[in-house]
Amino acid sequence: KQEVTQIPAALSVPEGENLVLNCSFTDSAIYNLQWFRQDPGKGLTSLLLIQSSQREQTSGRLNASLDKSSGRSTLYIAASQPGDSATYLCAVRFLISSGSARQLTFGSGTQLTVLP
Amino acid sequence: NAGVTQTPKFQVLKTGQSMTLQCAQDMNHNSMYWYRQDPGMGLRLIYYSASEGTTDKGEVPNGYNVSRLNKREFSLRLESAAPSQTSVYFCASSPRELSYNEQFFGPGTRLTVL
Repeated sequence: KQEVTQIPAALSVPEGENLVLNCSFTDSAIYNLQWFRQDPGKGLTSLLLIQSSQREQTSGRLNASLDKSSGRSTLYIAASQPGDSATYLCAVRFLISSGSARQLTFGSGTQLTVLP
Repeated sequence: NAGVTQTPKFQVLKTGQSMTLQCAQDMNHNSMYWYRQDPGMGLRLIYYSASEGTTDKGEVPNGYNVSRLNKREFSLRLESAAPSQTSVYFCASSPRELSYNEQFFGPGTRLTVL
């Protein structure tokens, strides 16, 4: 079964620290991978989208990497701030044998708290 | 642009009642989606509409029906609500299916079935 896992489920760091959030997936045949941010009681905001042919994407203090062969993606947040506190979700669109792709499969998220 | 809007924001139902969750997007997107999110789990796809006039089942379609009313609107109906349908429901849209583009999400509807 094609699954997405995010460990740990929760993480607390002091302000200013650089941190890495992890996402692992069970099948290297993917179409793309997307990182989202979800604030409490809110919807999801797309942060970065990485196509299967790409190794990384950057946006401001965020950098997402993709290693299909090992089934891993990481979201690097530089110089963390209390405003970065949120749940971060990883979602993968897996390929299927016909050459098309499945819908997004989501991980359960990592709840990040950045302490002032 | 309002993006993706959902109504209502909150709803409490009794077992067996029916209701329709509304979703609209003003980004001229072709594809629309309905997800549910349960505690400790990621989002799971209920139904999607790749383009106006088409709908397809996702991972967890049982107990739900959908209608793609027009390009802008995609509704989710619970015909006979069950406690297992207590969840947060998100609508999303994207420019087109299997594209290089992202999915954009609404703020969610928090549904409790007693």
